[in-house]
Amino acid sequence: DAGITQSPRHKVTETGTPVTLRCHQTENHRYMYWYRQDPGHGLRLIHYSYGVKDTDKGEVSDGYSVSRSKTEDFLLTLESATSSQTSVYFCAISEQAKPNYGYTFGSGTRLTVV
Amino acid sequence: DQQVKQNSPSLSVQEGRISILNCDYTNSMFDYFLWYKKYPAEGPTFLISISSIKDKNEDGRFTVFLNKSAKHLSLHIVPSQPGDSAVYFCAASGSSGSARQLTFGSGTQLTVLP
Repeated sequence: DAGITQSPRHKVTETGTPVTLRCHQTENHRYMYWYRQDPGHGLRLIHYSYGVKDTDKGEVSDGYSVSRSKTEDFLLTLESATSSQTSVYFCAISEQAKPNYGYTFGSGTRLTVV
Repeated sequence: DQQVKQNSPSLSVQEGRISILNCDYTNSMFDYFLWYKKYPAEGPTFLISISSIKDKNEDGRFTVFLNKSAKHLSLHIVPSQPGDSAVYFCAASGSSGSARQLTFGSGTQLTVLP
C-alpha cells in the first residue's frame, strides 16, 4: 500500500531462532500497529505504538516485542520463534487514535516457522 | 472471548444479486464500526464505516446497517459483482482506553458467481 511497506514479504525460519519484521511508513503517522491474521481468528492486535518509544501490548502480545526508535519504523521481534507464530503479519498506521477511516494496512509478511 | 463475531465463514451469491454479510459484537463500549475488504496477498482496505449515532450509512453499492439494541451490523452489497469476491472483515472501536484500537471479526469469504 502506498506509504507503508513491510519487509520481508515472506520468511521461513526455524523454531527457536529470533526473527524481526519491519514496518516502514512515509506518512508521518503517529500510530502504528502490528496484527496477525489466522484462519478462524481474523486479525488480532499484537502490539501498537502511539509515538516514538511509546508502545503498548495488544490482545496476543506473548512471545513478541516491538521497538519504535523513529516515527517511520516499527519493528516486531519474535525472540525465539515457535510454530504457533506461523501466521501472516500485518502492519497498520493511523494519524489519529480513533480514525474515521480506520487504519491503512501494509501488504503483509507471511512467516512460516518450521 | 471474541468481542466481534462473524458467524458465517463463507457466502456465495450470484452476480447482480444482493450480498448480505453479518456481524455481531458484545462490547457495549464500541461506538464505531467499520468494514474492510481483503484480497489474497494484499492488506485489508477500508470499505465503509458507521458511527453508533446512526443506523445506516450508504456509499454507492455498499450500505451498512447498525442495530444497537441487538448489537448487530450488516453490510449490503447491491448489485454484487465478481470483483467483490474477497474476505470481508467487520471491525469495531470504542472511545477510551484499549477499546480505541480496532477489534476485528474472523472474516467472511464472499464469492460472487458470474
